[in-house]
Amino acid sequence: RKEVEQDPGPFNVPEGATVAFNCTYSNSASQSFFWYRQDCRKEPKLLMSVYSSGNEDGRFTAQLNRASQYISLLIRDSKLSDSATYLCVVNTHNNAGNMLTFGGGTRLMVKP
Amino acid sequence: EPEVTQTPSHQVTQMGQEVILRCVPISNHLYFYWYRQILGQKVEFLVSFYNNEISEKSEIFDDQFSVERPDGSNFTLKIRSTKLEDSAMYFCASRYSGVDGYTFGSGTRLTVV
Repeated sequence: RKEVEQDPGPFNVPEGATVAFNCTYSNSASQSFFWYRQDCRKEPKLLMSVYSSGNEDGRFTAQLNRASQYISLLIRDSKLSDSATYLCVVNTHNNAGNMLTFGGGTRLMVKP
Repeated sequence: EPEVTQTPSHQVTQMGQEVILRCVPISNHLYFYWYRQILGQKVEFLVSFYNNEISEKSEIFDDQFSVERPDGSNFTLKIRSTKLEDSAMYFCASRYSGVDGYTFGSGTRLTVV
């Protein structure tokens, strides 16, 4: 079983649409959760952290369900500039520190 | 905004050659990482480095790989004898503390021919 699993997409949506991505993770000891954005052939950039109570940043809303080991990202009022790959990322702490485990990403294409 | 700088942006090397990928982390950061991403695949953890030593490494990070922080500013990844399957984008990352604080460099694209 993959450690962090995402639907690869692509999700093709018109401008202004609402789109939701999901992610599941296998390590119940995972402690921190993130959505990163990656543009083609660029580095991952932090979009937002995901908290148990759910959190919102402008048009973006993230949710975490620890019991189901499930993370979601909702994008409202999609813009052309939202076109990118969205990476679900989990941070696992151990005695040596911590490391990020990335999902394979979900590709979003927003069309005019 | 402070940046993690990686050089070169693209390196082409022949199979069996040694390569050194260079990174300059953000100056007050304490934790340093290398990740790689094979084209079309997910980003994978290679190694973490703290207090001048490796703190964790993945199965990918075998004896062909090594890391150094020779002068307190540069953080290098060396691949001793490159293989075709080492072709990938290599990302350096650093953080001061707190898991939200990762900053990734723009990557080095390594092509082994």
